[in-house]
Order: sequence, then C-alpha cells, then structure tokens
Amino acid sequence: SYVLTQPPSVSVAPGKTATMTCGGDGIEYRSAHWYQQKAGQAPVVVISHDSDRPSGIPERFAGSNSGDTATLTISGVEAGDEADYFCQVWDTETDHWVFGGGTKLTVL
Amino acid sequence: EVLLVESGGDLVQPGGSLRLSCATSGFTFSAYAMSWVRQAPGRGLAWVSSISSGGDATYYADSVKGRFTVSRDNSKNTLYLQMNSLRAEDTALYYCANAGSSVGTSPFDSWGQGALVTVSS
Repeated sequence: SYVLTQPPSVSVAPGKTATMTCGGDGIEYRSAHWYQQKAGQAPVVVISHDSDRPSGIPERFAGSNSGDTATLTISGVEAGDEADYFCQVWDTETDHWVFGGGTKLTVL
Repeated sequence: EVLLVESGGDLVQPGGSLRLSCATSGFTFSAYAMSWVRQAPGRGLAWVSSISSGGDATYYADSVKGRFTVSRDNSKNTLYLQMNSLRAEDTALYYCANAGSSVGTSPFDSWGQGALVTVSS
C-alpha cells in the first residue's frame, strides 16, 4: 500500500518560514492536499491539488510537489499557525485515500 | 453555510455494532462524494470509507472492509456508516466530510465536528 511519510515535528520562530515535507514514492504524479488541524478542532484544507490555496487561506501558505516529496511552506509564521498538518493523496492503484502521519508545528 | 453534523457515537462492547449518521445542509448533497475519516485519541487522521455521489460506488480502508458499510440517502441529505464486529482499535472520533463530485478527485472541503466511538468492555 502507498505510504506517506511526514516528520513528526517542526519548530519555527515567529516571523520565520516553516517547511513541512510529505514523502511518497513518485508523489509528483499524484495530487497532494494539505490539512491544518488545531487542537480540538476538525481539519481544514489549506492547500489542494499540490499548490492551490482555497478561499480564505492566507497567501503565507504555499505548496509544491516534485519527485518524491510534496512540501507545505508557511512564510511569516504566526502563533495561530501552531497546529498539526497532514498531507493526503488518492492512491489510484488501490482506490484508497492515504494520509501522512502528520507534523506538529510548534511556534517558538 | 455548509454544515455536517455527525451523530450516533457511543460506548459499545467489542463485537458490537453501531450506526453513525451525518446530517448535512448548505450544499447540494446529491452532487458530492462523501467520506468518513477517523482519528484515534492522540493519533493522526485515518481514512475509513468513501461513497460516490449517487451511492453506486463505495470504497473502504483495509482495516474496516467487510465490517463497515457506508451508505447515503440523498432524499434526506444524510450519510451513514454501519459498523459491525467492532474492535478496541476502532475507538476513535469519526468525522464525515464532503469531497468533490467524484471520489478521489478533490480534497475534503468541509468536515463535521465528529462522533466519538468507544469500543470497550
């Protein structure tokens, strides 16, 4: 089965740039989506289809996908960005949705 | 405003059954594929099942296939998840979510707040 690998944690100082990765075999050939989940809340999609930003998501959030790694970048990190971030793809071989294990973003 | 409201979560003994419902409003339910996602306490997100907009195609995670059944009633704008032969490892918060016109083509745009299922003796 298809596996997505995310680092468990990323820490960044306010105002700096946070980079979170999502590794998967040939992930560039799949469409990656990213979700933000704050404590006690349901997830919210922050990046869809590799790099599209849904309405209401700040321009500080950006996504890319190349080779075996999809990347979520948050520039000018704010305290309110502290959350868990999950990547997701559709595996066409098994017709399964797959989530990465999630990365906890800590704002120092 | 898009609303998804899950219900039916409960404490159930191992081997027992439970049916979750997800009542929706604010969008054309019959035009959207729908999904269930669960989150065990302190853990990440895990996809459980998806169903096409018309209900004719269903998809399941390997961990629940043969035990869970997803269905929908487009006349009632409601999604269901019938869970049988429940195990301790099924303990989780279960979210319903909508996801585009076809399964697998779009992310989960809107989520409910979840229904808690606890499997324990």
